[in-house]
Amino acid sequence: GENVEQHPSTLSVQEGDSAVIKCTYSDSASNYFPWYKQELGKRPQLIIDIRSNVGEKKDQRIAVTLNKTAKHFSLHITETQPEDSAVYFCAASELRQAGTALIFGKGTTLSVSS
Amino acid sequence: AAGVIQSPRHLIKEKRETATLKCYPIPRHDTVYWYQQGPGQDPQFLISFYEKMQSDKGSIPDRFSAQQFSDYHSELNMSSLELGDSALYFCASSWRGGPARMTNEKLFFGSGTQLSVL
Repeated sequence: GENVEQHPSTLSVQEGDSAVIKCTYSDSASNYFPWYKQELGKRPQLIIDIRSNVGEKKDQRIAVTLNKTAKHFSLHITETQPEDSAVYFCAASELRQAGTALIFGKGTTLSVSS
Repeated sequence: AAGVIQSPRHLIKEKRETATLKCYPIPRHDTVYWYQQGPGQDPQFLISFYEKMQSDKGSIPDRFSAQQFSDYHSELNMSSLELGDSALYFCASSWRGGPARMTNEKLFFGSGTQLSVL
């Protein structure tokens, strides 16, 4: 099955700096890679996603890049703000018998200090 | 816009008791997923349903079962509860669009049920 590795586990940056979180996946058949932001005790919220036919996608301060050959994808947050502080999970779609299921990385706790 | 609704929000049970969690997916979504998230852990896939039929199973214990009803709501039934079952249980829904269609759906999560087993 799919295995997703995520690094770093914790990341501390100053407000205004950039933050980069990296993930690798094992199943070359995976072709959908979302990123979720989760605040303590709350639901994971989809912030950006990318499909395998695209190498990069950007939405305001957030961008995701995908390297299918190397099987890794990254989340880039520019001009970080204190409200960006949360746990970020990457995920990869695992093709299963009757559909797909998202397999998550272990998460990155991002702390943005002002 | 309507979101995924889960109930109850919090649940406290004793060991060996049973619990039932409910999930109401986004209207017109045809697929429901259940995830378990322990403290400081990533969400773990338990089980999914497409059009009221079980679609896939993940790391769901035999003590747990789930079903999806004719109105598309789903229930996760947990028996012989153990201390280690204490976790946040999320339901998510998506639109797949067809039984054989291996689409890459966007999953939308509910607010979760915090289960505490004492």
